[in-house]
Amino acid sequence: AQKVTQAQTEISVVEKEDVTLDCVYETRDTTYYLFWYKQPPSGELVFLIRRNSFDEQNEISGRYSWNFQKSTSSFNFTITASQVVDSAVYFCALSDISGNTPLVFGKGTRLSVIA
Amino acid sequence: GAGVSQSPRYKVAKRGQDVALRCDPISGHVSLFWYQQALGQGPEFLTYFQNEAQLDKSGLPSDRFFAERPEGSVSTLKIQRTQQEDSAVYLCASSLAGTSGGVQETQYFGPGTRLLVL
Repeated sequence: AQKVTQAQTEISVVEKEDVTLDCVYETRDTTYYLFWYKQPPSGELVFLIRRNSFDEQNEISGRYSWNFQKSTSSFNFTITASQVVDSAVYFCALSDISGNTPLVFGKGTRLSVIA
Repeated sequence: GAGVSQSPRYKVAKRGQDVALRCDPISGHVSLFWYQQALGQGPEFLTYFQNEAQLDKSGLPSDRFFAERPEGSVSTLKIQRTQQEDSAVYLCASSLAGTSGGVQETQYFGPGTRLLVL
């Protein structure tokens, strides 16, 4: 069975600090996809990144970066120079690679960025 | 372009009432998913459509839950005889691809319907 663990329930940082959100996953599949979504107070899940297990290169997009380590089954997300607008709940998710299949989500990490 | 839309955004129901939640996916998206998100939890899968075919309903918690997508676009999630434990946010997501073949397309989510059963 697939499982995603986000051990950090809530994190508070002061604006401009860097923050890393942890994600650890379990799967028996050798190939799979990993995702991060952002859920602001409005409630809509906003897609941030999709990564397949073939590609272990780290990725950077502006202030966001992702560190995928297959050896430790982790897919961590770092926000550099955090801003108040980054305040949201962030979800890590996992799916298999066999086609359109449901996402398995972690419980999310609530990030509060204080001005 | 327009994203996934859901209506109503909020619904208050008395225990025992039936409710219907609507999802309008992104135009042209073949796949449609329903998820249930309890307070403080991540979304959990309910059911999946490819066009009008319901291919997976393994996540529906009871036979009081029913979903349909008769013309392969708009979908409705119906909950009969609502119970307090049905209170949650119901999220709809759509994705472009419809066929299997080793590609997991990104799912784009709507704003959800927050259901409160009193």
